[in-house]
Amino acid sequence: GAGVSQSPRYKVAKRGQDVALRCDPISGHVSLFWYQQALGQGPEFLTYFQNEAQLDKSGLPSDRFFAERPEGSVSTLKIQRTQQEDSAVYLCASSLPARHRGLSGNTIYFGEGSWLTVV
Amino acid sequence: SQQGEEDPQALSIQEGENATMNCSYKTSINNLQWYRQNSGRGLVHLILIRSNEREKHSGRLRVTLDTSKKSSSLLITASRAADTASYFCATDAGPGRRALTFGSGTRLQVQP
Repeated sequence: GAGVSQSPRYKVAKRGQDVALRCDPISGHVSLFWYQQALGQGPEFLTYFQNEAQLDKSGLPSDRFFAERPEGSVSTLKIQRTQQEDSAVYLCASSLPARHRGLSGNTIYFGEGSWLTVV
Repeated sequence: SQQGEEDPQALSIQEGENATMNCSYKTSINNLQWYRQNSGRGLVHLILIRSNEREKHSGRLRVTLDTSKKSSSLLITASRAADTASYFCATDAGPGRRALTFGSGTRLQVQP
């Protein structure tokens, strides 16, 4: 597609409910990232995929957070038993691997985010 | 935790004035990037400066990097109301890691 697409754009969940957030990266991008952005703060890294392999999940805040990318394209971020502190914007981003970027460096392209409010 | 800290946290200027935002970071980096985020939207990449570069220009943007002070600045010249947004610096999270570490952002308001 033309850009990174995320759905749903807005989600209100009751505390304790499970949620699933979807990301469609730019076609051909092998790298995919999830970030969490609290209100008024910068994004914080959650996890990174290269194709279907989850190479870095060091930012996932607890075992309630789970991400997958089974076919190396679409990714889903799942949050189980949501809590109020999970309220944030969840941003997905994608990029090409280094050998395709030339001198452009580690530039990544962000989606517009999924706004999660836990009540 | 956030690697970078932007300064100031908020900046309000008149259209036509220049806006300068600063970023400090803590660890050695390969490169530093600046991103822009309009309210309620995703981040848009503005410019990347490598650790062996001291200054870089792109249109009305000028970025400097001082690795000895672990700091960078973003200058927007001749600002426009459409420049109103939050601006974030980002650095690579560590050796071999693809993740970016973002600062807390500067919220720029350009008054028409």
